[in-house]
Amino acid sequence: EAGVAQSPRYKIIEKRQSVAFWCNPISGHATLYWYQQILGQGPKLLIQFQNNGVVDDSQLPKDRFSAERLKGVDSTLKIQPAKLEDSAVYLCASSPTSTASTDTQYFGPGTRLTVL
Amino acid sequence: DAKTTQPPSMDCAEGRAANLPCNHSTISGNEYVYWYRQIHSQGPQYIIHGLKNNETNEMASLIITEDRKSSTLILPHATLRDTAVYYCIVGGGSNYKLTFGKGTLLTVNP
Repeated sequence: EAGVAQSPRYKIIEKRQSVAFWCNPISGHATLYWYQQILGQGPKLLIQFQNNGVVDDSQLPKDRFSAERLKGVDSTLKIQPAKLEDSAVYLCASSPTSTASTDTQYFGPGTRLTVL
Repeated sequence: DAKTTQPPSMDCAEGRAANLPCNHSTISGNEYVYWYRQIHSQGPQYIIHGLKNNETNEMASLIITEDRKSSTLILPHATLRDTAVYYCIVGGGSNYKLTFGKGTLLTVNP
């Protein structure tokens, strides 16, 4: 079974530029998550999709971050414009459903973003 | 904020059991205890979870105290590949959401 795919793996941009990350979840998984992991900290949930609808985006900085999951499969996360503090690893995860209270989340390898 | 407390780091000798503690004194009745780990430069990986009873799978064992205020993850025979940050997370129930803390960096030494 193929895992969660993310691209690119690394990205370097200058502040005020825009950037987009792509995620392809495990086939058949209804729920998709984007996390931000700053160096030395645990991952922080940015947004959760159930199929193509948003379940939780309470920690997404909506003035600069946006995400979409068209057709309920793959997803993109965009930052525009980027700030220095956005330097982090962006992790995508998926799970079969979010209705089960014990759903395992499967994580991709992440995209390491450096903002100069 | 994370609802768990873990030591920032631990060491273990290769081949010995690694016992990673976690305090979760404010856990509610329908919340589970999850353990994930993150090897350097990889995404987190699910290990095990439990509600009340002790659990065991091919990777580890989870021991939950009777009052559910703390738990221990046991890796029975640690190898060098088990060196990672281990996260203890409380969640699930009616609000299924994983909130990660800083975890414990386990270093397995040869």
